[in-house]
Amino acid sequence: EAQVTQNPRYLITVTGKKLTVTCSQNMNHEYMSWYRQDPGLGLRQIYYSMNVEVTDKGDVPEGYKVSRKEKRNFPLILESPSPNQTSLYFCASSRDQLGQVGGYTFGSGTRLTVV
Amino acid sequence: KNEVEQSPQNLTAQEGEFITINCSYSVGISALHWLQQHPGGGIVSLFMLSSGKKKHGRLIATINIQEKHSSLHITASHPRDSAVYICAVAGNQFYFGTGTSLTVIP
Repeated sequence: EAQVTQNPRYLITVTGKKLTVTCSQNMNHEYMSWYRQDPGLGLRQIYYSMNVEVTDKGDVPEGYKVSRKEKRNFPLILESPSPNQTSLYFCASSRDQLGQVGGYTFGSGTRLTVV
Repeated sequence: KNEVEQSPQNLTAQEGEFITINCSYSVGISALHWLQQHPGGGIVSLFMLSSGKKKHGRLIATINIQEKHSSLHITASHPRDSAVYICAVAGNQFYFGTGTSLTVIP
């Protein structure tokens, strides 16, 4: 089954403790991206990647890092999480940046709470 | 300043009604997407539009590039259509609307 797998689904952590949210896709998609969703603000793009070793900042990259060492994986790293990073996070992938072929496939989301 | 505005924010309809959700944007775009977010939180891509109109089952999406406006129509609405519908535009950057929460009552 074609899918984007995010882990974990839920995570509660403490301020400053480094964490990684994993994202993996099995569709050989070139484009992958991370979003956060907050009430009243909607979805906002954090980082995206056009291909292996190619990453770029989205709308709200501060406090986050990403890497794209392999085509299928695009982990989101919070080096020193803070409470304002408490949010619902989504990973998505598509064949191209604009999603013109087949749209975007989203992961199930990761609900992160930083206390 | 919101680059993407959706209306209405909330919508309640009786089963069988025709539904329209609107999206207006203020930036230049290459593509516009309609997404559906289920009550459990999962997001599904419904349509990608760069011009004209697309239809998939009971869903119809239209876009008017000159007016910077798109509409999502649902014909013969059903309770399983209850979800949040999100408009997203792709240009130099991605911008998302805050969503329209639809509830369809049996």
